[in-house]
Amino acid sequence: AQSVTQLDSHVSVSEGTPVLLRCNYSSSYSPSLFWYVQHPNKGLQLLLKYTSAATLVKGINGFEAEFKKSETSFHLTKPSAHMSDAAEYFCVVSDRYSGTYKYIFGTGTRLKVLA
Amino acid sequence: EPEVTQTPSHQVTQMGQEVILHCVPISNHLYFYWYRQILGQKVEFLVSFYNNEISEKSEIFDDQFSVERPDGSNFTLKIRSTKLEDSAMYFCASSESGGAGYEQYFGPGTRLTVT
Repeated sequence: AQSVTQLDSHVSVSEGTPVLLRCNYSSSYSPSLFWYVQHPNKGLQLLLKYTSAATLVKGINGFEAEFKKSETSFHLTKPSAHMSDAAEYFCVVSDRYSGTYKYIFGTGTRLKVLA
Repeated sequence: EPEVTQTPSHQVTQMGQEVILHCVPISNHLYFYWYRQILGQKVEFLVSFYNNEISEKSEIFDDQFSVERPDGSNFTLKIRSTKLEDSAMYFCASSESGGAGYEQYFGPGTRLTVT
């Protein structure tokens, strides 16, 4: 079965410093991976996705993620954090061989950005 | 930009009552999903729906739950005889296709509180 592990439940960074949110996946097949962000009282918004094309994926708001098969990782990064990046971030794997492609979510990482 | 909408944003109900959660998916999408997130836990898949029938359901989605697309725009989740442990945030999602690379678009969620 597919699964994702988000290694940090909380991450704090100062505004203007780099962001790194870690995600490892487990999959028997070539996975489709996603990062979603959830701001308070908002729905889940797609940041970026990997679907077996380029391993370095660029998303919205300056975020990017690199798919590393050898490390089974899909870490999310951003060079310079903004206050507006404070939110909860979810790493998601799409379960590919189970009929419909349901999402398997990680436990989430809450990002705090300090002024 | 088209978005998934959900109503109500917050529903309070007494144990044993039935609730219906409403969702309006994006108009040209064909696949519909319900997920839930119990406070402090990860987002969990409940059910997927395509072509007016359930495509896949999780172990959580037992006889207490049902889904329906009563018209061309709404997608509902009915929970019969609610229990305290049904208290959670319920997210509706839709996607254009069911393929692995197709992202799911999420609504803002309905917070269900069972007292």
